[in-house]
Amino acid sequence: QVQLQESGPGLVKPSQTLSLTCTVSGDSISNNNYYWSWIRQPAGKGLEWIGRIYFTGSMIYNPSLESRIAISVDTSKNQFSLRLSSVTAADTAVYYCARVHVGAGKNNWFDPWGQGTLVTVSS
Amino acid sequence: QSVLTQPPSVSGAPGRRVTISCVGSSSNIGAGYDVHWYQQLPGTAPKLLIYGNTNRPSGVPDRFSGSKSATSASLAITGLQAGDEADYYCQSYDTLLRGWVFGGGTKLTVL
Repeated sequence: QVQLQESGPGLVKPSQTLSLTCTVSGDSISNNNYYWSWIRQPAGKGLEWIGRIYFTGSMIYNPSLESRIAISVDTSKNQFSLRLSSVTAADTAVYYCARVHVGAGKNNWFDPWGQGTLVTVSS
Repeated sequence: QSVLTQPPSVSGAPGRRVTISCVGSSSNIGAGYDVHWYQQLPGTAPKLLIYGNTNRPSGVPDRFSGSKSATSASLAITGLQAGDEADYYCQSYDTLLRGWVFGGGTKLTVL
């Protein structure tokens, strides 16, 4: 049974870079049936897709965040990572990693999700 | 403001049926993209409930069903149980936003 686990600092200062890692167990991140994605959720609010990566390194980002995002993959560690630069209080959220099923075209869904990790941006 | 519009809340008595709508537009659901549904129990991560408009993953009770038409989709829950109290989100792809998008979420209360 595949499991995903987010890790990283829970507190980041404004203007600095948020860095998170998602460790995948129970499946290979090189499985060509899946993408790997980051999603976030501010407290009491809805879900926002951040970006996704394939094991080859091919990535697609949310255009609204694209200028500040970098997602990378480390197949040797079965991990993928998120870096979000120049953070502000608006980036405070629970960050989830998720496996994305490669369906027909863009008909992809997220399953399963990690438990999420709260990142607070504050000085 | 989400491009997929859901009612903020719905409620129903135990044993009854409720539906949650997800209204999109010609750049997402109306463009033929599938709709997927997630259940988020309090304090937990979202869990896939319906994929590909109508399909239930293994382990999801058949009390949950999905449908899709023109520019909208619906999630129906029958035989409401207290354990169904959660936030429910729809998700699709949007060609104008060039990415996957979620509805704003609907809070289900079992009376």
